[in-house]
Amino acid sequence: DQQVKQNSPSLSVQEGRISILNCDYTNSMFDYFLWYKKYPAEGPTFLISISSIKDKNEDGRFTVFLNKSAKHLSLHIVPSQPGDSAVYFCAARNYGGSQGNLIFGKGTKLSVKP
Amino acid sequence: DGGITQSPKYLFRKEGQNVTLSCEQNLNHDAMYWYRQDPGQGLRLIYYSQIVNDFQKGDIAEGYSVSREKKESFPLTVTSAQKNPTAFYLCASSIQGMYEQYFGPGTRLTVT
Repeated sequence: DQQVKQNSPSLSVQEGRISILNCDYTNSMFDYFLWYKKYPAEGPTFLISISSIKDKNEDGRFTVFLNKSAKHLSLHIVPSQPGDSAVYFCAARNYGGSQGNLIFGKGTKLSVKP
Repeated sequence: DGGITQSPKYLFRKEGQNVTLSCEQNLNHDAMYWYRQDPGQGLRLIYYSQIVNDFQKGDIAEGYSVSREKKESFPLTVTSAQKNPTAFYLCASSIQGMYEQYFGPGTRLTVT
């Protein structure tokens, strides 16, 4: 049973436009959420995170929004650049779980076309 | 430069052989992790260690073993008991008490 779901396996966006990647979760005990970016044959790179006590966190072109009532978070990239083309993973931490307990979604492959 | 090193990048083994994947970090992080990624799948936790000489099973520990004799090193052994060992293996580390995990470049293991 997937606790973190990224329902869109892929997303294609024009350079300069906004990319919106979505993530849904089922466990209300999740208290911290992270986004990672991954290029092929490389390890994921930490991008941005948000605590469950906030509803928005911004870092440059990247903004993460959290809607706790809907158990939904999204990553906005604006403006999108060709170098943003990668697989994006959403991850969540279970409050009360061990430090190792990050649950990852299956990822969304973003393609930014010039 | 500080970081996490995994070697080799590609590894080939015959079925029935044990193989050990290396993970070293010089970030002075206390916690280290091993994940497995299969095509179209997210990262699944195999083992993690929060402190030297201690480690815990993750979601898919069967067929794997680890050791944590030094803070900097967390090798993973894929044993012959692992039914589907071919995968991309990722090592990560984090500061104790912080949730962000930092990943190495990964090792692609192919068992035939």
